[in-house]
Amino acid sequence: LAKTTQPISMDSYEGQEVNITCSHNNIATNDYITWYQQFPSQGPRFIIQGYKTKVTNEVASLFIPADRKSSTLSLPRVSLSDTAVYYCLVGLTSGTYKYIFGTGTRLKVLA
Amino acid sequence: NAGVTQTPKFQVLKTGQSMTLQCAQDMNHEYMSWYRQDPGMGLRLIHYSVGAGITDQGEVPNGYNVSRSTTEDFPLRLLSAAPSQTSVYFCASSYSWGIGEKLFFGSGTQLSVL
Repeated sequence: LAKTTQPISMDSYEGQEVNITCSHNNIATNDYITWYQQFPSQGPRFIIQGYKTKVTNEVASLFIPADRKSSTLSLPRVSLSDTAVYYCLVGLTSGTYKYIFGTGTRLKVLA
Repeated sequence: NAGVTQTPKFQVLKTGQSMTLQCAQDMNHEYMSWYRQDPGMGLRLIHYSVGAGITDQGEVPNGYNVSRSTTEDFPLRLLSAAPSQTSVYFCASSYSWGIGEKLFFGSGTQLSVL
């Protein structure tokens, strides 16, 4: 089973900030939190990774509270081209070498 | 660098036919894996490998075989295709596994089994 839970879908309008939250109650001490973005007909691509507090890059910000049981991907001022599926991945499944993805969040940006 | 290369991009098979989906990476990654993605669904792990000669099953391994004779290549074999295997297949690799690793994905193979 995936270690994460995300909303199935979200809608937003161009120019708005979008926050997608991922729950990972059973995160292990050494696990990093990694977000991937998948456009239609393409493979997922890495967008941001963090361990605790806040990480920011040119694409997004990642907020992780002290207990690390959840994380929030923040996309500033989205555009139509940000329409995609966003996956949160937290380490390997315990005791295995398997990266198990959850359902992801389907973000639709409206004009 | 080419990254992760998958061939072919599209394939149509008849039920019972066999074929091999190719995956190659030029990043000297130890970890490689195969996922399938059905329409509107998430990624499901089929098989993975932690190095040449070492493979193991993922979430949905039935009907698929893999082998890893070199670090670079990780082919996925369908021995007797079934309509239920109609899907988009993605190959992914990472330098290692575990703490802080990032997966790099290929562009996918769209397979239709009639």
